[in-house]
Amino acid sequence: SQTIHQWPATLVQPVGSPLSLECTVEGTSNPNLYWYRQAAGRGLQLLFYSIGIDQISSEVPQNLSASRPQDRQFILSSKKLLLSDSGFYLCAWMFGGNTEAFFGQGTRLTVV
Amino acid sequence: KQEVTQIPAALSVPEGENLVLNCSFTDSAIYNLQWFRQDPGKGLTSLLLIQSSQREQTSGRLNASLDKSSGRSTLYIAASQPGDSATYLCAVMTGGFKTIFGAGTRLFVKA
Repeated sequence: SQTIHQWPATLVQPVGSPLSLECTVEGTSNPNLYWYRQAAGRGLQLLFYSIGIDQISSEVPQNLSASRPQDRQFILSSKKLLLSDSGFYLCAWMFGGNTEAFFGQGTRLTVV
Repeated sequence: KQEVTQIPAALSVPEGENLVLNCSFTDSAIYNLQWFRQDPGKGLTSLLLIQSSQREQTSGRLNASLDKSSGRSTLYIAASQPGDSATYLCAVMTGGFKTIFGAGTRLFVKA
């Protein structure tokens, strides 16, 4: 069966420090992968999505970047975190263009 | 630009009540619509997926309908239970495999 792993679960980082969040998918190949951010009490904002290795689309210009070095690995990064980067980050995958989306358990990032 | 709106933002009901959550979207050119449940501090769990060609989907006490032409979907929860308390999110998939979410409805079912 397909599973999605996202880590770490929580992270507290100082302003100006780098960030690396990792997401991996098991049990499928060539999935579409997504990074979302959820601010407190708000909906999910699509940050990046990828339909293949090294194919990344950015939805919102910001302090973050994403990479997909392997088919089932999606990484969210920042060189220097801002306070406004705090939030709940969720990785998701779906197979093809008309199937369910499945989510990881999320990473709670607090920038202090 | 596709926008998804969910009403109400929050809802509190007594146990056993039937309830309806609403979702609307501005662009009817969607591939599918999906309803999710999110428990506090957790990821999302998929509840129901409705393809653009379908009118409704059912799973247990949940029934979701889709009226693509009017840009609306409803999630009907029958005989609500305290365990149903969570935030319910709807999302539409648009061109380019992008899934756009509403802000959610926070549901509290009182025992």
